Amino acid sequence: EAGVAQSPRYKIIEKRQSVAFWCNPISGHATLYWYQQILGQGPKLLIQFQNNGVVDDSQLPKDRFSAERLKGVDSTLKIQPAKLEDSAVYLCASSSQGEGNTIYFGEGSWLTVV
Amino acid sequence: GIQVEQSPPDLILQEGANSTLRCNFSDSVNNLQWFHQNPWGQLINLFYIPSGTKQNGRLSATTVATERYSLLYISSSQTTDSGVYFCAPRSSGGSYIPTFGRGTSLIVHP
Repeated sequence: EAGVAQSPRYKIIEKRQSVAFWCNPISGHATLYWYQQILGQGPKLLIQFQNNGVVDDSQLPKDRFSAERLKGVDSTLKIQPAKLEDSAVYLCASSSQGEGNTIYFGEGSWLTVV
Repeated sequence: GIQVEQSPPDLILQEGANSTLRCNFSDSVNNLQWFHQNPWGQLINLFYIPSGTKQNGRLSATTVATERYSLLYISSSQTTDSGVYFCAPRSSGGSYIPTFGRGTSLIVHP
């Protein structure tokens, strides 16, 4: 069974530029999460989708971050304009109710803003 | 939201030693997972353990939901166990967001 796929793996951009990350969850998983992990800290939830609807986006900085999950499968997380403090790993995860909502993570997208 | 505290924050072991990592949480939970983050940043699911005890090889985990803590045991540690260990409980009331602690950083020396 294929795992959670993310791209790109690494991205370096200048501040005020924009960047987009893509995630393809495990087949059949209705719930998709985007987490931000800053070096030395635990992952922090940015947004949670159930199918193509948003469950929680209370910690998403909506002035610069946006996310969508069209058709309830793939998802895209965008940052525009980027700030230095956005340098982090962006982790996508998915889960299925059938497995007690066990979460599986992708390898992450490493962002450096210079 | 639920508060999660992990201890110790850092742990250094000699290969072959045993260790216990602790996760305390502030609310009742219906879901808790333990993860290992390897040096390349990948988060690997170790256990789904909202209550009770589970074992997988040299690793085992126990969650006492009524007392709001979970323990991860590593026996006969190996250098490949190095990395950061996270617990992520999910509150059974209010939001159902899996919330991560700051993790325990483990280094196992040969």
